[in-house]
Amino acid sequence: DIRMTQSPSSVSASVGDRVTITCRASQGISSWLAWYQQKPGKAPKLLIYAASSLQSGVPSRFSGSGSGTDFTLTISSLQPEDFATYYCQQAHSLPLFTFGPGTKVDIK
Amino acid sequence: QVQLQESGPGLVKPSETLSLICSVSSGSISSSSYYWGWIRQPPGKGLEWIGSIYYSGSTYYNPSLKSRVTISVDTSQNQFSLKLSSVTAADTAVYYCARVNIMVRGAFDIWGQGTMVTVSS
Repeated sequence: DIRMTQSPSSVSASVGDRVTITCRASQGISSWLAWYQQKPGKAPKLLIYAASSLQSGVPSRFSGSGSGTDFTLTISSLQPEDFATYYCQQAHSLPLFTFGPGTKVDIK
Repeated sequence: QVQLQESGPGLVKPSETLSLICSVSSGSISSSSYYWGWIRQPPGKGLEWIGSIYYSGSTYYNPSLKSRVTISVDTSQNQFSLKLSSVTAADTAVYYCARVNIMVRGAFDIWGQGTMVTVSS
């Protein structure tokens, strides 16, 4: 089984800050990684697929990078609507999947 | 735009079977470009993939739940379903159905709104 970890588990930030979240896979997954944003009471929303490709309609302040085992999601300038929980997900073993434990971004 | 909608009982008794249906609208479940999946989220916790199905009926399950999970597809009704047997309080969660898009490297690109299922007597 491929296990996913994320760090930090939570981060406090201000509007305008640059925020970086890290996701690590227990084995190499090439670029089979997606990132999601989830707000309270809502379904997750796909932000990034294939590690660095921006999903249609997602603001360009979101970006993803990495390959193999180490990945990052960066929000270049945090906006009020970006306060949420972010999850990574591996699809290397498609159609079996694993999600990371999540990173909560809240207001400093 | 394709939409997914979960339906089923919101309350299930311990030891019984949880049954949910995901209805797919404005698109065909029989496309070769997609798998269809179930994900759950216990209150205050993270996302857990339960299992996936292809329109042909091929199924794939989370090893931790495999002994209790059955996912099936009904292409004539454009829907797929989840059955989870012998439920306990630990199965209380919001259950989501979602589309796995092969063209975006296996990401879940469309989600249902989720349905809360509580296991309690």
